[in-house]
Amino acid sequence: SQTIHQWPATLVQPVGSPLSLECTVEGTSNPNLYWYRQAAGRGLQLLFYSVGIGQISSEVPQNLSASRPQDRQFILSSKKLLLSDSGFYLCACGQGVTKLFFGSGTQLSVL
Amino acid sequence: GIQVEQSPPDLILQEGANSTLRCNFSDSVNNLQWFHQNPWGQLINLFYIPSGTKQNGRLSATTVATERYSLLYISSSQTTDSGVYFCAVGGGGSNYKLTFGKGTLLTVNP
Repeated sequence: SQTIHQWPATLVQPVGSPLSLECTVEGTSNPNLYWYRQAAGRGLQLLFYSVGIGQISSEVPQNLSASRPQDRQFILSSKKLLLSDSGFYLCACGQGVTKLFFGSGTQLSVL
Repeated sequence: GIQVEQSPPDLILQEGANSTLRCNFSDSVNNLQWFHQNPWGQLINLFYIPSGTKQNGRLSATTVATERYSLLYISSSQTTDSGVYFCAVGGGGSNYKLTFGKGTLLTVNP
């Protein structure tokens, strides 16, 4: 079964600073990869998904971008963080229409 | 897009009690999953259940796709069952993209 590595677990960044969150997956090949954000109040919002290397689809226009340089690597970035970028960021992995598995998440606080 | 409503939003139980969580969705789906988020934030996949009934220990789930709802049953609840339970659905040509409900916060007291 697949393992999802996501780091760091917590991150405090000043407004206007850059961001790079990395997610790597083991135990599977050619997975669908996802970035979700969970704000206070519980709901999960899909930010980006990718069905292959270099293929990125954005669900919500925002200050963030994503890249997939390798089959099992998914990166979430920002050039300049905003206060509203604070939240809990989760990477997820799936194979087609099957169970979705999540990493342990990164709690981002922008101050 | 598909709308997902979960009820109740909050539920408090005594250890040993049973509970039923409901998920209603606004359109036909061919992907439906239930997740448990523990107090540390980790999301665990409980069921992939676009239709029918499945059981895993004290948990079971039923999806009636034609009536656009799914139920999650928790029997003999334990304090470790506490957390937020999410229903997520996908449909049509984008069935690999899941839309999440707002969740049910379950608190099981000893």
